[in-house]
Amino acid sequence: GAGVSQSPSNKVTEKGKDVELRCDPISGHTALYWYRQRLGQGLEFLIYFQGNSAPDKSGLPSDRFSAERTGESVSTLTIQRTQQEDSAVYLCASSSSGPSTDTQYFGPGTRLTVL
Amino acid sequence: SQQGEEDPQALSIQEGENATMNCSYKTSINNLQWYRQNSGRGLVHLILIRSNEREKHSGRLRVTLDTSKKSSSLLITASRAADTASYFCATDESTDKLIFGTGTRLQVFP
Repeated sequence: GAGVSQSPSNKVTEKGKDVELRCDPISGHTALYWYRQRLGQGLEFLIYFQGNSAPDKSGLPSDRFSAERTGESVSTLTIQRTQQEDSAVYLCASSSSGPSTDTQYFGPGTRLTVL
Repeated sequence: SQQGEEDPQALSIQEGENATMNCSYKTSINNLQWYRQNSGRGLVHLILIRSNEREKHSGRLRVTLDTSKKSSSLLITASRAADTASYFCATDESTDKLIFGTGTRLQVFP
């Protein structure tokens, strides 16, 4: 079946604009994660959705960042009033259960460039 | 904050040689996973080792885990140019998130 997909693959925006990134997880996966990866750095956890439970937003760096997920399907990550430091690759992953027991399947990422 | 830290940060070897990467972590874990990333894009899961396991194999990959030293190693034997990638370890800091290290960039020269 299809893997995790993300769109757009690349996004260039001007400082101050809002952007919306989309993630389509693997069908049937209840868990969905967003990560940020700056150039040459490791992955930085942003947010975790598990089924209908309240999401773990502990990794969101500021209130300009928010994410939603509709049921167990698509998720969108929104960054408001983008800043140059938001430039990074944003990766989405899904798994069939919790992160401590299951493999995460990653999408190809969205490369965000804020000018 | 990052849980795992990989060592070395970068590694260059010739095809056919073995590559060893190490990961250290700070708190107790249930399991540790290794992932591979090509060209700064999506990660691919390689192997998961549980806290009660000491060694695990998958093809040319061998992973060890020493919970007393809070460290793990990933060995790639008989490396190939196609193994060129970044390798990350990830640990379960709690029940709801994985914490990834900063990665080791492996370059295998033909």
